[in-house]
Amino acid sequence: EPEVTQTPSHQVTQMGQEVILRCVPISNHLYFYWYRQILGQKVEFLVSFYNNEISEKSEIFDDQFSVERPDGSNFTLKIRSTKLEDSAMYFCASSEWQGVYGYTFGSGTRLTVV
Amino acid sequence: GESVGLHLPTLSVQEGDNSIINCAYSNSASDYFIWYKQESGKGPQFIIDIRSNMDKRQGQRVTVLLNKTVKHLSLQIAATQPGDSAVYFCAETSQGYQKVTFGTGTKLQVIP
Repeated sequence: EPEVTQTPSHQVTQMGQEVILRCVPISNHLYFYWYRQILGQKVEFLVSFYNNEISEKSEIFDDQFSVERPDGSNFTLKIRSTKLEDSAMYFCASSEWQGVYGYTFGSGTRLTVV
Repeated sequence: GESVGLHLPTLSVQEGDNSIINCAYSNSASDYFIWYKQESGKGPQFIIDIRSNMDKRQGQRVTVLLNKTVKHLSLQIAATQPGDSAVYFCAETSQGYQKVTFGTGTKLQVIP
């Protein structure tokens, strides 16, 4: 079964450093998403991306965050200057169509900011 | 504002019994409600969804019930198995279906 692949599985970074989280969506999917989950809390939407541009973003997704699809297979989330409160599990997701069907999440990257 | 929330943080059931996980929502404009299962160390996994114009939908061993009058959603799991142990999230989407709004999870523990 096709999977959304995220790397690394765990990343530790110092406060103020830039970090890039990487995702390989399912190959025929056109819609891409990032979510985050602070430990013990609910999953929160960050951003959706379609046709090489952001289609929707949440209040969390401020100027410190950016997304990019640098080539035909990768989808990245960059945090420019990490803060302690950015520590969370970050999930990438992709879907073939607009909507919940086939909306597949990756296993996540645990980001720890120290 | 929109919100989706769960009634209980932890539910323990005996293997073989039926499980019922409940959820309240407040956004009347939601078009779809979804249940996700999240196992330890994994991302949310789609279980079943229901459109806002339906009140019941069945899948394999799972049934989702929607009561729009009281804005309540439930997930019923028949003959609960150890592999069902996970955190279950209700969620909703609307307005073009780009964004899924998750509620707080309920941890289901299956007692062998």
